[in-house]
Amino acid sequence: GAVVSQHPSWVICKSGTSVKIECRSLDFQATTMFWYRQFPKQSLMLMATSNEGSKATYEQGVEKDKFLINHASLTLSTLTVTSAHPEDSSFYICSARTWTSGGLRARGEQYFGPGTRLTVT
Amino acid sequence: QKEVEQNSGPLSVPEGAIASLNCTYSDRGSQSFFWYRQYSGKSPELIMFIYSNGDKEDGRFTAQLNKASQYVSLLIRDSQPSDSATYLCASEGGFKTIFGAGTRLFVKA
Repeated sequence: GAVVSQHPSWVICKSGTSVKIECRSLDFQATTMFWYRQFPKQSLMLMATSNEGSKATYEQGVEKDKFLINHASLTLSTLTVTSAHPEDSSFYICSARTWTSGGLRARGEQYFGPGTRLTVT
Repeated sequence: QKEVEQNSGPLSVPEGAIASLNCTYSDRGSQSFFWYRQYSGKSPELIMFIYSNGDKEDGRFTAQLNKASQYVSLLIRDSQPSDSATYLCASEGGFKTIFGAGTRLFVKA
């Protein structure tokens, strides 16, 4: 399967500061990357969808000015949590998707990064 | 609203038994379907995908798709305690992948 890395794997920051999380597809070009948030014992919540070179599409209820997404290349997307608050503490997971089909790949296959655990104090 | 529905569980099976996980989807236009496994505190991991009606087998896992009934299932044969996790069903719904909330599986030793 394809490999997606995420950095950092965990971060602790003070309230009011900003945190940047990187997501990289290591061995394939991702047409689309997704950012999810997951609170303990809850399901994945899609925050936003980003395509290389264009603005991200945010899900309803997600503040685009607070969660800044940049998708600068086909292998890199970043999520910046600005002015973080304790309620932003969560597990942030990115995924990358290729849109090829046939053979061993299914259209829309998503590969997840290992996640970033953010704690805001 | 496109949806993927799963029983949240927990589903508890004894070691060595077959675990059967089910999922229904609402978008008839969906072409590909995925099963992900998520261990507690970890990110989801793709186990299998299926896009043709019928069964697809990979080791101890079998995915089943019935497009007429809009139904997807995952069978895990010879279940092991290490299979204990949350299993997410997902459908490719055009530009967006729709995830179910997941079914928690416990395999008792």
